[in-house]
Amino acid sequence: SQQGEEDPQALSIQEGENATMNCSYKTSINNLQWYRQNSGRGLVHLILIRSNEREKHSGRLRVTLDTSKKSSSLLITASRAADTASYFCATEPRGGTDKLIFGTGTRLQVFP
Amino acid sequence: GAVVSQHPSWVICKSGTSVKIECRSLDFQATTMFWYRQFPKQSLMLMATSNEGSKATYEQGVEKDKFLINHASLTLSTLTVTSAHPEDSSFYICSARDLSGGPYNEQFFGPGTRLTVL
Repeated sequence: SQQGEEDPQALSIQEGENATMNCSYKTSINNLQWYRQNSGRGLVHLILIRSNEREKHSGRLRVTLDTSKKSSSLLITASRAADTASYFCATEPRGGTDKLIFGTGTRLQVFP
Repeated sequence: GAVVSQHPSWVICKSGTSVKIECRSLDFQATTMFWYRQFPKQSLMLMATSNEGSKATYEQGVEKDKFLINHASLTLSTLTVTSAHPEDSSFYICSARDLSGGPYNEQFFGPGTRLTVL
């Protein structure tokens, strides 16, 4: 399977703490994207990082990409209860057909 | 921002019936739409790539005769689950790529359709 893997599978933290999720993938990529999904709902696009970028920031989000290790991390700083959701990385394989390959996801629970 | 809608948002049907799910890009055109399936507490698995005006491309292991895809216009793709069975119960999500969205292939996702087959 081409599916990427994320760890941890589940993460519980207190409000105000930082949350770090890691994603590993298997093929060369054009870009890597992070999405958020609230329970039973659709996906919300958070951030996209291109294969030639190493780090990107958006508000309280920080994403890193290490193409040599085929891995990425998503850091959410100063977490809030409203950040409780599942987070997925998704890669666009190089030379592919625009499709996205999703990771297994991390379920984040932020306690108030 | 770009909006993708799905209809219905949920559906319950009897085993053996067919169910059609619509995916629409509301404020942009999409030559390509994607259909995913998500089982509870699992990730999204790509089922097929829907191309406007041509046949869909199915991922390995997905039965094209069971999951019929029609992409009749630049704003509408439909997924029909034929002769549905309880094991087809799942959350079906579509996404669409904005033709004018630049080089970074951002896909916009619909809110999903929850199918329950009794």
